Amino acid sequence: DAGITQSPRHKVTETGTPVTLRCHQTENHRYMYWYRQDPGHGLRLIHYSYGVKDTDKGEVSDGYSVSRSKTEDFLLTLESATSSQTSVYFCAISEQDRVIYGYTFGSGTRLTVV
Amino acid sequence: DAKTTQPPSMDCAEGRAANLPCNHSTISGNEYVYWYRQIHSQGPQYIIHGLKNNETNEMASLIITEDRKSSTLILPHATLRDTAVYYCIVRVDNTGKLIFGQGTTLQVKP
Repeated sequence: DAGITQSPRHKVTETGTPVTLRCHQTENHRYMYWYRQDPGHGLRLIHYSYGVKDTDKGEVSDGYSVSRSKTEDFLLTLESATSSQTSVYFCAISEQDRVIYGYTFGSGTRLTVV
Repeated sequence: DAKTTQPPSMDCAEGRAANLPCNHSTISGNEYVYWYRQIHSQGPQYIIHGLKNNETNEMASLIITEDRKSSTLILPHATLRDTAVYYCIVRVDNTGKLIFGQGTTLQVKP
C-alpha cells in the first residue's frame, strides 16, 4: 500500500550487530504494529504503539525494542541480532482502537542474520 | 493464543464458490470477527469483518451463526488469484491487537 512503507526490504546482517527496521506511514493513523512471520508460527506481534512515545509489548518482544518519536515513523531495533531473529517483519497501521477498521500492512522486510 | 480454529487447507475449483469455515466458540459479545488473507509473501490484506450480522462487500461475504460461535467466509466466484492463506481473527482486547492463528491455505485449481 502506498500509505505504508517499510525499509529496508531486504537485509543480511551478522550475529551480534544492531539492526533497525523502519516503518513509515502517510495516513496519520494513531496505531502502529510490528509483527514477525516464521514458518509454522504464522504472524506474531512483537510490539505496538498507540501514539507518539506510547508503546507496549506484544507476545514475542524479547530481544526487540521500538521507538515512535513522531506519528509517521515506528522503528524496530534488534540491539544484538541473533540467528533466531531471521524472519520476515511486517508493519501494520490502524486508524482507531476498539476498531471496526482493519489493519493495513506493509510489504515486509526480509531479515537474515548470519 | 489465537481464539479461532480453521482447517489447515482447502481446495476449490476456479469459478466456484469457496467457503472457508472458522470456529470461535469462546468469542465474547463485543468481539468482532475479521478475515484477512496473505498472498504468497505479501503483507496480509483485509477482507471483511463482522459482529453479529452477515456482511458483504466487493470481495466476499461473511456469514456469522446466530450464536456467534462460528463463521464462514464466502468467495462467490473463486479465481486463481484467490489462492492464499486466509486468516480468521477475533480481536483479543481493546488495545486493538490482532492475534493471528495458522489460517487456511486455499488452493484454487483450474
